[in-house]
Amino acid sequence: DVKVTQSSRYLVKRTGEKVFLECVQDMDHENMFWYRQDPGLGLRLIYFSYDVKMKEKGDIPEGYSVSREKKERFSLILESASTNQTSMYLCASSSLTRPGKSHYYEQYFGPGTRLTVT
Amino acid sequence: QKEVEQNSGPLSVPEGAIASLNCTYSDRGSQSFFWYRQYSGKSPELIMSIYSNGDKEDGRFTAQLNKASQYVSLLIRDSQPSDSATYLCAVKNTGNQFYFGTGTSLTVIP
Repeated sequence: DVKVTQSSRYLVKRTGEKVFLECVQDMDHENMFWYRQDPGLGLRLIYFSYDVKMKEKGDIPEGYSVSREKKERFSLILESASTNQTSMYLCASSSLTRPGKSHYYEQYFGPGTRLTVT
Repeated sequence: QKEVEQNSGPLSVPEGAIASLNCTYSDRGSQSFFWYRQYSGKSPELIMSIYSNGDKEDGRFTAQLNKASQYVSLLIRDSQPSDSATYLCAVKNTGNQFYFGTGTSLTVIP
């Protein structure tokens, strides 16, 4: 079974703090993603990575950065937390290919981190 | 125009009935389609993926894909109260980008 874990389920931070959210997957997946989910807006992609040390901006990268130093770990960094970054943050991973199959790209999610910035 | 559109619902069905969830997408060249279930306060869980036109069945779930109409649906047979959740449609488009709909809320009434 795919296992994606996130460092915290709930986090409360103050405005201006630097916040680190960690994600680890144990399936040797090439791709990793960070989303935020807000009521009425659905899932929005912040950043993704196709390989170690690679990163690509998603739809809403402003105010965020990422780091992928190892294949299994993808970190999201809020450089200076603001109240509008209060949200549910979801990490996901997917395989580029499956043995004997064409590209499937099924994404598997971690449990999420509910971040509150006060 | 949104990449993926779903009726937000809420959709209510009685226990034992068939629930039908629908999704349309804008990129005609999209090849990969996914349905996720998300319980309140939890993360999305993959329940079905479909890549070819037609039907794909897995237990009580059937995914249907019609690429000509740019339409994908999920049928849940013999709906149970435990199926009450938000169902997200996701599409991987020709640009290798993954888009989610905003979800349809389903309530199964005992």
